[in-house]
Amino acid sequence: QVQLQQSDPGLVKPSETLSLTCIVSDFSINSGFYWGWIRQPPGKGLEWIGNIYHSGNSYYNPSLRSRVTISVDTSKNQFSLNLSSVTAADTAVYYCVRAVSVVGATVSFYFDNWGQGALVTVSS
Amino acid sequence: SSELTQPPSVSVSPGQTAKITCSGDSLPIQFAYWYHQKPGQAPVLVIYEDDKRPSGIPERFSGSSSGTTVTLTISGVQAEDEADYYCQSADSSGTIFGGGTKLTVL
Repeated sequence: QVQLQQSDPGLVKPSETLSLTCIVSDFSINSGFYWGWIRQPPGKGLEWIGNIYHSGNSYYNPSLRSRVTISVDTSKNQFSLNLSSVTAADTAVYYCVRAVSVVGATVSFYFDNWGQGALVTVSS
Repeated sequence: SSELTQPPSVSVSPGQTAKITCSGDSLPIQFAYWYHQKPGQAPVLVIYEDDKRPSGIPERFSGSSSGTTVTLTISGVQAEDEADYYCQSADSSGTIFGGGTKLTVL
């Protein structure tokens, strides 16, 4: 059973870069799944951020694309999220996920394993 | 981009059947997925590809699709099913989620 263990940066200052890492255990990150990030502002719904494959192929939410970088480190079996120029609107619980790709009219994904979540607060 | 619309809340008595709907223009051509989320916990996948149930999910959870609407049905609702439920699908821009439905077990 795959385990996803997230780092917890806690507090990030406005205009700085939010950085999160997710360590994948008991499963190879090279195994044919995508890996991604989803966030949830306090008391609100889920928002997809993006997904990445071990080759580096990635998909991003268009509303966040200009500020988001997702990277993968296969040697450490982990992947990371960088979100730049953060504001209070980026305050949320951030989840790392394993994403299953579904080939249809377009490539789509669903999320079958989730990390425990990390609350990131943007505040000075 | 497309949106997925869910009712904010659904209430049901124990043992009854709960139906949670999700509507969206992309649903006729994209699969739908359902997650439940209990307070303070990460979401859990309960239905994938419209009507398939992951291993470990009780048989009382089922999914169906008709045109622009998909439905999550929970038969014989139990107190432990009280949670927020989210539908998820895709459009030309990527992955999209519904706003969530709070299921209350009376």
